[in-house]
Parts: sequence; C-alpha cells; structure tokens
Amino acid sequence: DTAVSQTPKYLVTQMGNDKSIKCEQNLGHDTMYWYKQDSKKFLKIMFSYNNKELIINETVPNRFSPKSPDKAHLNLHINSLELGDSAVYFCASSHARGPYTFGSGTRLTVV
Amino acid sequence: GIQVEQSPPDLILQEGANSTLRCNFSDSVNNLQWFHQNPWGQLINLFYIPSGTKQNGRLSATTVATERYSLLYISSSQTTDSGVYFCAVGGSSGSRLTFGEGTQLTVNP
Repeated sequence: DTAVSQTPKYLVTQMGNDKSIKCEQNLGHDTMYWYKQDSKKFLKIMFSYNNKELIINETVPNRFSPKSPDKAHLNLHINSLELGDSAVYFCASSHARGPYTFGSGTRLTVV
Repeated sequence: GIQVEQSPPDLILQEGANSTLRCNFSDSVNNLQWFHQNPWGQLINLFYIPSGTKQNGRLSATTVATERYSLLYISSSQTTDSGVYFCAVGGSSGSRLTFGEGTQLTVNP
C-alpha cells in the first residue's frame, strides 16, 4: 500500500528514558515533516527535511533530534523524556508545496 | 508568522443537515489544505486548495485568496463526518503548514 507509515503506534515509557519513532513513506515525496499534536489537538510543526536536508527546525528542546537517512525515511529521537513530551506525534510527507499525507500518529505517554 | 482562525470551534448537527466551516488567515498564502481528523485520530487530506473551488462528493471547498478566507461545505452530513476539521496554510516560506485550531463537528443520528 502506498502510505506514510509510523512505528510504533503507541509508546509508554518512563521519565528520563530515550526513545525513537520511525517514519517511512513510499509516495516518492521529497519533503517529510514531524508535527506534534497536544492534548487540545493543536498541531504544530517541529521539523522538516527536503531530500535529506533539514529545512525547518522549530523551537523545540534539543532533546529532540530528527534524522533522515534517505528521502523516504525520517526518524525522531527523543532523549531524557519528560512528562510534558506526552503527545501524539505525526509524520507527514509532501512533494514540495503539494498536498500532505499524514501517518497514523504515535501516541507517546511519559509516566 | 501567519495566523489561522477557524470558526465555529464546535458544531453539532443532525444527520442530513448542511454546514459551512470557515478559515480566515492573516497573510497571503500559496498553500491551503483542509484535513479531517476522524475519531480514531487519523488525519485525512480533504482538499489542496490555495485558490478557487473544488468538489469531492458531498464536500466542497472554496478559497478566496485575495480576501484571505476559505470555506468548507459539507452537505447531507453523515455520522461518519464527525471529527475535527483543520484548515492549514502555507506562505512564501515554503512547504511548512500552519494549522488552525480546528472545528469539532459532531453529527448525531
């Protein structure tokens, strides 16, 4: 199936741990994104990569580090997790300024 | 950055009713998209519509870029239309989209 796939779908972890979320798209898009959706459902961009190059790096704690090994993959690594990091993290992809396709989201719960 | 304002914040309808959702934005845009987030959390792209009018089944959208607003029309609503509708816009800075706070739609049987 053509899609944006994220793993894992759910992640429950303790404060202080390090975790990674993976994202892959097979749509041939050149741009990938990470968005964070908070408890009030507000969506805010965190990072964007175009052809493996970081082009958007919003004001997020440097505990969050994206990595794009190739233009089909964009991973998000989070160090020293805090309670406030609990949210749903969405990966998306697009071709330049075209329509976005979102992954199904990763619900991160820090306890 | 661009400000995006959606109205109404909440909308409750009976099945079969029609509705109009509005999105106002503060600056000129070259990218505007409407999304539906269903009750299971999936974000589905409804329209890519930086200008003009498009229709897809019971849904249609119109963007009047010169007046900085977009409208999403839902006709003959069904319970499966429930969820949150987001408008998202992008300006000259590239592919980044700024999202509005959404309209929570509930369609009752």
